[in-house]
This record gives sequence, C-alpha cells and structure tokens, in this order.
Amino acid sequence: GDSVTQMEGPVTLSEEAFLTINCTYTATGYPSLFWYVQYPGEGLQLLLKATKADDKGSNKGFEATYRKETTSFHLEKGSVQVSDSAVYFCALKGGNQGGKLIFGQGTELSVKP
Amino acid sequence: DAGVIQSPRHEVTEMGQEVTLRCKPISGHDYLFWYRQTMMRGLELLIYFNNNVPIDDSGMPEDRFSAKMPNASFSTLKIQPSEPRDSAVYFCASTPAGIYGYTFGSGTRLTVV
Repeated sequence: GDSVTQMEGPVTLSEEAFLTINCTYTATGYPSLFWYVQYPGEGLQLLLKATKADDKGSNKGFEATYRKETTSFHLEKGSVQVSDSAVYFCALKGGNQGGKLIFGQGTELSVKP
Repeated sequence: DAGVIQSPRHEVTEMGQEVTLRCKPISGHDYLFWYRQTMMRGLELLIYFNNNVPIDDSGMPEDRFSAKMPNASFSTLKIQPSEPRDSAVYFCASTPAGIYGYTFGSGTRLTVV
C-alpha cells in the first residue's frame, strides 16, 4: 500500500541555518504531496503542497519539489528561525485513497538562538 | 470561514465515564476524519466519513469507541467506558474531494484519570 517515510528527528539547528527534512514515498499512480506543520499545543496546519511531478510548493520561506524519479518531496528552508520550531509531517493523497491522507511519522525541529 | 471547530478543547474525566467529542467540519467538505495523537503512537487515523457515511473504521481501537455523523455539519466521537490509556489529543479534520489537503481542528485534549 501507499506509504510515506520521513527522516527521524529530532533535528536541532542554530538560527539562520539551512534546513532539509527528507521525505520519500511509495504510491501507485500520481499522488498529491503535502507538508504539514504542528506547533506546540496546536493542530496540524497545511504548509505547502504539490499535485504533479516537478511542481514546487512554497510557503513562509519553505519549499519542496515533487520528484517522481526519486519518489521524494524533501522540505527545505534557507534560513530557519526559532519560531520554526515545530513538528513537520509529510503526507500523500493517492488517487485510490478515497480522500485519505497517508502521513509520515513526523520530524521534530528545534531551532536554537 | 471559521475552520474546523472541535469541542471541548480540554476534557478531564474519570475512568469508566462516557466521553463525547464534537466536531463541526467546514461547510462543503465531503470528507471528515477523526485522528488520535499520542507521544507513543504518533498520529493515528481512527475513522473517516464521506458524505456522512463511515468509509473506514479499521483504526477504531475497540468497541468502546464509536463515531457518528448524523448530518454534513456535525460529527461525534464517543468513548464508553473511558480508560486512562485513552488519554490523548483527538483531532478532527475535513477536506473536499480531490487534490486538496485536510483542514484540522485545534483538537480536544482528553485526560482520563
């Protein structure tokens, strides 16, 4: 079945460092891909998405490119801030999932001043 | 748009009591999902509905859990009787059909003592 694998956390960075959180997926057909962010004590919020190969999703300085050849959707940000400390979830919605999102296990990011 | 609305935000109850969690999805969204999140097990899909009909309840942990969606604007998740191991944050989410991601509610933090 469809699945999503994220790099394990926690990831600890200094402010202004470059961020990469790896995400790879297994799916039949042509899924849509998503990144969600969960700040402490809150629900998950959609951060960005891409719906077809080579699409780049971007929001709040974060970017991710849908790479079909490597089945990846890595999250990147050029310069992280303390306020980016959160848990990040990669997810896919496949054509045969009937609306259901498949989530990765989440990666905790901690940014130190 | 008020987003997905969950109530209550916090619930503390004694073991053996009945607990009812409530969710109002975004108007026009065809799908509604109930998730549970704990440190040990991460984010778990419990059940989801399409057009008010339960589609997949394979994630419901046991018969003590039940969910209903009597109309397009309201859903409940009930636990009877509650147990300490049910303590978790319960999220509701909704989405339209198609390539869209979910919108999550703020969650209900349930503590069973």
